[in-house]
Amino acid sequence: AQSVSQHNHHVILSEAASLELGCNYSYGGTVNLFWYVQYPGQHLQLLLKYFSGDPLVKGIKGFEAEFIKSKFSFNLRKPSVQWSDTAEYFCAVNPMDSSYKLIFGSGTRLLVRP
Amino acid sequence: DAGVIQSPRHEVTEMGQEVTLRCKPISGHDYLFWYRQTMMRGLELLIYFNNNVPIDDSGMPEDRFSAKMPNASFSTLKIQPSEPRDSAVYFCASSLALDEQYFGPGTRLTVT
Repeated sequence: AQSVSQHNHHVILSEAASLELGCNYSYGGTVNLFWYVQYPGQHLQLLLKYFSGDPLVKGIKGFEAEFIKSKFSFNLRKPSVQWSDTAEYFCAVNPMDSSYKLIFGSGTRLLVRP
Repeated sequence: DAGVIQSPRHEVTEMGQEVTLRCKPISGHDYLFWYRQTMMRGLELLIYFNNNVPIDDSGMPEDRFSAKMPNASFSTLKIQPSEPRDSAVYFCASSLALDEQYFGPGTRLTVT
C-alpha cells in the first residue's frame, strides 16, 4: 500500500537553529509532492510543492525541500528557524495514478524555543 | 475569495444523534475533499468529489458516514448515528484540477 513516513514525530529547536524534517514515500511511479504546515489552532496551509523540474524547490517563509527520486525522499529544510515556525508539518504525496488524492504523513510537531 | 468555508466550527453532540457538517469550496474549484484528523490516526482522506461526483469513498469508515455534493458550491458530510469515536476535526478542502488543495478551518466534533 502507498504510504508516507515522517520519522520525526517531535522536534525541539532553539531559534536560529537549522531544521531538516524527513519525508519518505512508498510508490514507484510518478508523484507530486507537498509540504503543508498547520499553525496552532489554524488550518493546513501549503508551504511548497514539487511537480517536476528542479528537484530543489523553494516555498514560503524561507522553507525549501529537495526531491531525491532514488531515495523516495522529499525532506524539508530551513537554515534558521524562528519561534513563529512552531507548528505541525505534514508531508503529502499524490501518486499520479488514475485517482487524485493526497496521502499524508503522520506529521512532525516542531517547537522552537525563543 | 473567502477561501473554503466550513460550518459549524464546533459541534458537541450526544451519542446516537445525527451530525451534519457543511462545506463551501472555493468558487471555480472542481475537486472537493473531506478529511478527518485525530491524534491516533493523523489526517485521513474520507472521500473526494470531482465536478460534484464522488470519485473515491474508500476512506469512509462505515455506513454511518455519508457525503453529498448537490452542486458545485456545497457539500455535506453526515454521521448518523454518531459515536464517541467519531470525535475529531473534520476538514474540507478544494482544488482546481491537480494543483494544491486549499483547506478550510475545520469542524471540531465532540460526541459525548
